[in-house]
Amino acid sequence: DVKVTQSSRYLVKRTGEKVFLECVQDMDHENMFWYRQDPGLGLRLIYFSYDVKMKEKGDIPEGYSVSREKKERFSLILESASTNQTSMYLCASSFRNSGTHEQYFGPGTRLTVT
Amino acid sequence: AQSVTQLDSQVPVFEEAPVELRCNYSSSVSVYLFWYVQYPNQGLQLLLKYLSGSTLVESINGFEAEFNKSQTSFHLRKPSVHISDTAEYFCAVRSNNAGNMLTFGGGTRLMVKP
Repeated sequence: DVKVTQSSRYLVKRTGEKVFLECVQDMDHENMFWYRQDPGLGLRLIYFSYDVKMKEKGDIPEGYSVSREKKERFSLILESASTNQTSMYLCASSFRNSGTHEQYFGPGTRLTVT
Repeated sequence: AQSVTQLDSQVPVFEEAPVELRCNYSSSVSVYLFWYVQYPNQGLQLLLKYLSGSTLVESINGFEAEFNKSQTSFHLRKPSVHISDTAEYFCAVRSNNAGNMLTFGGGTRLMVKP
């Protein structure tokens, strides 16, 4: 079974804090993704990575950065958290050249910024 | 650019009744289409997908979706829902020129009542 794990299910941070969200997958997937999920807006892509040390901006990268130093781990960084970054954050992974095109999701981290 | 519209944000339905969750997409090129389901407090799981071939695709738990190219739709149906189908459902599209990126709709919350 593919497993995508995220370091925390719930996180509460203060405005201005630096926040790290960690994601680990165990299927040797090349691609990894970070989304945020907000009611009525569905999932919006923040960043994705198709290889170690490679990253591409998604639809809403402002206020976020990412790091991929190892193939299995993809970190999302909020340099200075703000209240409008309160959201559910979902990590996903997939093979680069998979015929199924399926992305596998972690359970999510619900971040509250006060 | 591609976009996905899920016309209903919430669909309440009684147990054993039929249900249809609507999804329309816009894309100028060929697409792959997906339905994901998110049960309470969990990540997203792939429910079914259309890649090519037969336009009617089925899941193992009784859902089906039909790809309609002329209407750019991929509606999800089930003839008789169960309480355990209560979840949020997301339609997603990937264009064949969009690399590995999915575009998600806003989600439809299916609420099955006894």
